[in-house]
Amino acid sequence: AQSVTQLGSHVSVSEGALVLLRCNYSSSVPPYLFWYVQYPNQGLQLLLKYTSAATLVKGINGFEAEFKKSETSFHLTKPSAHMSDAAEYFCAVSTRGAQKLVFGQGTRLTINP
Amino acid sequence: DTGVSQDPRHKITKRGQNVTFRCDPISEHNRLYWYRQTLGQGPEFLTYFQNEAQLEKSRLLSDRFSAERPKGSFSTLEIQRTEQGDSAMYLCASSLVEGPYNEQFFGPGTRLTVL
Repeated sequence: AQSVTQLGSHVSVSEGALVLLRCNYSSSVPPYLFWYVQYPNQGLQLLLKYTSAATLVKGINGFEAEFKKSETSFHLTKPSAHMSDAAEYFCAVSTRGAQKLVFGQGTRLTINP
Repeated sequence: DTGVSQDPRHKITKRGQNVTFRCDPISEHNRLYWYRQTLGQGPEFLTYFQNEAQLEKSRLLSDRFSAERPKGSFSTLEIQRTEQGDSAMYLCASSLVEGPYNEQFFGPGTRLTVL
């Protein structure tokens, strides 16, 4: 079985500061990992995905994430926060042949002007 | 826009009533998923279809819940005898089976409030 833990249910950063959202996963087989963003009253939009190719993955809106097998982590970063980044972010895990995504509990990102 | 659509976007109902939600996936996608998201939590898997066949159901999907995808296109999720604990956002997603991983595209969700 797979599971995801997102450290920090709320993260607050200043506009222009580094964004770091933490995700640790548990999987008995090689995982596929995803970050989704959710704006208020909307569905989930895929930011980026790791599917066993490059360990540093670049996504939309300037976000990137690095897969670290030794740390079972897939943290999401962005060098410079923008007000429009304020949203809920979800890390999710799947595996080859699995159908469902298993999500973490989410991290709400607030950007301070 | 040819993304995943869901109807209605919001539903308010009284306890004990039946409700039905509809999901239209991206047209060429053969897999369709239902998730439930309660306040402050991540989405939880409910069930999925490949074409018209329902291949997996979560233990979260009690006997009061039923999902169908009769022609392998749109899907409906029905909740009978709603309870206050059913209040949640119901998300639909679709994907195309063309590789080992499973990139799912989500709709905007249906927010259910049971009074």
